[in-house]
Amino acid sequence: DGGITQSPKYLFRKEGQNVTLSCEQNLNHDAMYWYRQDPGQGLRLIYYSQIVNDFQKGDIAEGYSVSREKKESFPLTVTSAQKNPTAFYLCASRSLYYNEQFFGPGTRLTVL
Amino acid sequence: EDKVVQSPLSLVVHEGDTVTLNCSYEVTNFRSLLWYKQEKKAPTFLFMLTSSGIEKKSGRLSSILDKKELFSILNITATQTGDSAVYLCAVEGLAGKSTFGDGTTLTVKP
Repeated sequence: DGGITQSPKYLFRKEGQNVTLSCEQNLNHDAMYWYRQDPGQGLRLIYYSQIVNDFQKGDIAEGYSVSREKKESFPLTVTSAQKNPTAFYLCASRSLYYNEQFFGPGTRLTVL
Repeated sequence: EDKVVQSPLSLVVHEGDTVTLNCSYEVTNFRSLLWYKQEKKAPTFLFMLTSSGIEKKSGRLSSILDKKELFSILNITATQTGDSAVYLCAVEGLAGKSTFGDGTTLTVKP
């Protein structure tokens, strides 16, 4: 079954702790993306990667970090420097030949 | 900075009505415009538009792009309650970067 998985589905953390969100895809896609979605808003781009070992900042990268050591994996770390981390986080991937993005089910992060 | 603006932000209609959702954009090095439907969690792909004036259709949904005026519309005819969702417009620009609008929340009442 091809697709994108994100884990966990729900995550709770105390303020000041770093937390890493997982994103894995078996679609053999080169490009992967992380978005943040707040209530009533669209998706805002955090980081994206078009190739292994390379990634670019999106519009709201401050307080986040990523790595792309393997083609199928693009984990996102929400650091303590992120001032308002409570949100819904979506990971996506796409082939470099087609612009359609395929999304994972999302992780809802709540910082207490 | 790339920008995508969707209107209206929300819309309530009755089953059978026709709706038009709007998306305007300002993007450096435009590559394509995409429409997605988000019902609960993950957005799902509807259309990708790259050329002006060519209508894409899928059942009761259709979409068209105007690259001169920098906008796109998404039409839904004979709406059903299952069409209730957030409709997202996204534009792909330079080097694979995507910019999304805030979405239009469509509610279809029986």
